[in-house]
Formats: sequence, C-alpha cells, structure tokens
Amino acid sequence: ELKVEQNPLFLSMQEGKNYTIYCNYSTTSDRLYWYRQDPGKSLESLFVLLSNGAVKQEGRLMASLDTKARLSTLHITAAVHDLSATYFCAVDIYNNNDMRFGAGTRLTVKP
Amino acid sequence: DVKVTQSSRYLVKRTGEKVFLECVQDMDHENMFWYRQDPGLGLRLIYFSYDVKMKEKGDIPEGYSVSREKKERFSLILESASTNQTSMYLCASSLGTGRAYGYTFGSGTRLTVV
Repeated sequence: ELKVEQNPLFLSMQEGKNYTIYCNYSTTSDRLYWYRQDPGKSLESLFVLLSNGAVKQEGRLMASLDTKARLSTLHITAAVHDLSATYFCAVDIYNNNDMRFGAGTRLTVKP
Repeated sequence: DVKVTQSSRYLVKRTGEKVFLECVQDMDHENMFWYRQDPGLGLRLIYFSYDVKMKEKGDIPEGYSVSREKKERFSLILESASTNQTSMYLCASSLGTGRAYGYTFGSGTRLTVV
C-alpha cells in the first residue's frame, strides 16, 4: 500500500527562522509535487520535482528530491507571515499523473 | 487564465439523497480527478478519468460513482448520501499522461450530509 507521510503535521514558527518539512513515500517514483493551500482556498502548485537530486527554489522556499531515499524536503528560509498556509506533498505513482497526497503540514508563522 | 470550476461551493444534503457534484475544466485536459479532503488525512483519491467515458477507481471509491460524457466535464455522484461523506470535495485536471504535469484544482465543494 502506498503511503505518503509528511512531518510535522503542525508547525509554528517565529518570523525570521528556518525550518524543514519532510515528505517520505513508500513506492518508487521520480515525480513529486508540492502544493500550498490557504484557508478556505484550493490548492496551488508550488514545485514540480522530476528527478533524483532535483532542487527548485522560489523566494524563501526550496524543495528537493532524493528518489533513492524516497524523501522530499521543503525548506523555509527566514519565514514571514505570508508563508502561513498548509503545504502538501504529492507523489505521482507509476509516473502516470495519478497522485497520492500527504496529510499536509499546517504552517503558522508568528511575528 | 485556465480554470477548473466546481458548480457549488457549499452544499447541504439529507441522508439518503442522491447528490451530484459537477466539475468543468476549460483547458482541454485529458485527465480529471476527484479527491476528498479531510483534516489530518490529506487528499484521498476517489475516482479519476483519463478520457471521455473512461473511469478508474481511486483509493476510496465506495459509495461514489462518476460520469464523464464530455471531455470537459467530470461528475461525482453520491448514490445515497451518508453522514460519513461530509467532507470537502476537490476536482482537479491535468494534461495527458507520459509526461509530468501538475494538477489544476477547482475551488472545492464543501458538502454536509445531515
């Protein structure tokens, strides 16, 4: 059974601090996606990681993929309040555009 | 701007009712998906479709069916709504298979079954 596990599920940070969200998955895949969801809103695509060692950066967020370890990370640098949201990772199993999602990490950035 | 439109933002239905959730995309995408989102469980795949009149079961299809008569429209049907189907339902679409495409999500339908 495929499992996609994120941790932590809840994260409260001070502005200016750094932190990492982890996404582990249990099956072979070299396609991993990160999404952001604001309260009451739908999911917005953040990153698409398509190969082992892939690294993508956008502003204060950086995502990486290690397909051998079946692990992706989302690193937050110098957090700001606007980053408060729920972040989901999703694995494209069988490389078939058929995604399975983690439970989500609810990030709160406090002043 | 590409769009996935879900017909209702909020719905309240009674136990035993037949419920239709509609999703329309204007991007000519082949693939369409229905997920439900529950706190602590993330998004769970109910059904998906790679082509017109084609459907595949996801991880939690029980109690649901789908219809895809036209490429742009993918409907989720709750044959006899139950309280454990109270949830947020998200529709998504993507372009083709064989290449990596992210999903475009609709804004969601929050269904309450009473």
